[in-house]
Amino acid sequence: QQQVKQSPQSLIVQKGGIPIINCAYENTAFDYFPWYQQFPGKGPALLIAIRPDVSEKKEGRFTISFNKSAKQFSLHIMDSQPGDSATYFCAASIPTGGFKTIFGAGTRLFVKA
Amino acid sequence: DVKVTQSSRYLVKRTGEKVFLECVQDMDHENMFWYRQDPGLGLRLIYFSYDVKMKEKGDIPEGYSVSREKKERFSLILESASTNQTSMYLCASSSHTSVGETQYFGPGTRLLVL
Repeated sequence: QQQVKQSPQSLIVQKGGIPIINCAYENTAFDYFPWYQQFPGKGPALLIAIRPDVSEKKEGRFTISFNKSAKQFSLHIMDSQPGDSATYFCAASIPTGGFKTIFGAGTRLFVKA
Repeated sequence: DVKVTQSSRYLVKRTGEKVFLECVQDMDHENMFWYRQDPGLGLRLIYFSYDVKMKEKGDIPEGYSVSREKKERFSLILESASTNQTSMYLCASSSHTSVGETQYFGPGTRLLVL
């Protein structure tokens, strides 16, 4: 119920390709869905986030698509660059006495030059 | 810029030792969190705190305790370190908000227990 399932575990794309990372959840109480990006040796940092009343959100080359009925959301990276190589985590938050965030297992993305 | 700092980047300890990991944030955030990060398991919440002297168990609290005596500081304590606690430990902080929550992470402490 509290899980967020993320796939794939790892992904290799050519520069300019469009990697897609998918996440699914069960608990309909989640109401905030952030994506975090983590470079080696650093902590995760917020990349982009969406609320369930919106089906898509774009920030630069990064787009979240959200399907409320299917309880799925995904991250698309347009025109991917080697500098996008990182680990990406999807997450979902529940507004209980503050917010509790559940993270997916992470996707290691490698963009080949 | 929000800054979350962790006392050590790397630590090597022996089984049975008491281990202290410290985290400090400079943005006056109410919420602070400790996670461990393991390959294929993502970030798992150990403990969190919504206020000074307040703490709540996360998903994997066994073998850990925490202390929050001041708003800016949140300490994770391994009472008797074991080899299965070898991991990357991440501290995070966030502010109360009604529209969602951005967590700001420190750089992590990689702990090796021998």
